[in-house]
Amino acid sequence: DAGITQSPRHKVTETGTPVTLRCHQTENHRYMYWYRQDPGHGLRLIHYSYGVKDTDKGEVSDGYSVSRSKTEDFLLTLESATSSQTSVYFCAISEGTVGYTFGSGTRLTVV
Amino acid sequence: KNEVEQSPQNLTAQEGEFITINCSYSVGISALHWLQQHPGGGIVSLFMLSSGKKKHGRLIATINIQEKHSSLHITASHPRDSAVYICANRDNTDKLIFGTGTRLQVFP
Repeated sequence: DAGITQSPRHKVTETGTPVTLRCHQTENHRYMYWYRQDPGHGLRLIHYSYGVKDTDKGEVSDGYSVSRSKTEDFLLTLESATSSQTSVYFCAISEGTVGYTFGSGTRLTVV
Repeated sequence: KNEVEQSPQNLTAQEGEFITINCSYSVGISALHWLQQHPGGGIVSLFMLSSGKKKHGRLIATINIQEKHSSLHITASHPRDSAVYICANRDNTDKLIFGTGTRLQVFP
């Protein structure tokens, strides 16, 4: 059991369409995060959650929304995808002094 | 502002060489992380440390709190160590700020 899974792994979508990425964990960790990874940049935080229905913005949150209705699921939604949102998206979980665990990533291409 | 800088950006080595990757950060930490990312792969957490030194197999991570500096060492490097190594500073808001990574290639 990987502990954290992301879906889908790959997606190609058209500009202007909504897209939802899912992060699912089986570790019961309190904190969940969405990052994007782009060439020339470190991983950048989009949104994070510190509990069910408790979320906050990261440094690159414009154009993204999130929801966490259950401890195990953290959804990232692009309301109207743009080409600048073509990226690799990583979900991560953490709890207290336990280190971070990352998902395998979702490669999103907006055409 | 919490910033993390890594050096070098790219590193090549021959199998068996001793490798050092450096990380400097600007803000006092609650924990500093070293992560590994293989090409096309996911991200694996190697170390989390807030003081001193940690060792796991051929990997050693050290941190100097006063100098705001951490190093990742790989002893007896092997081609399978080829990956991007990422340093991240966990600040007191529990968010990680990431360096841009060091791309390591180890040749046989």
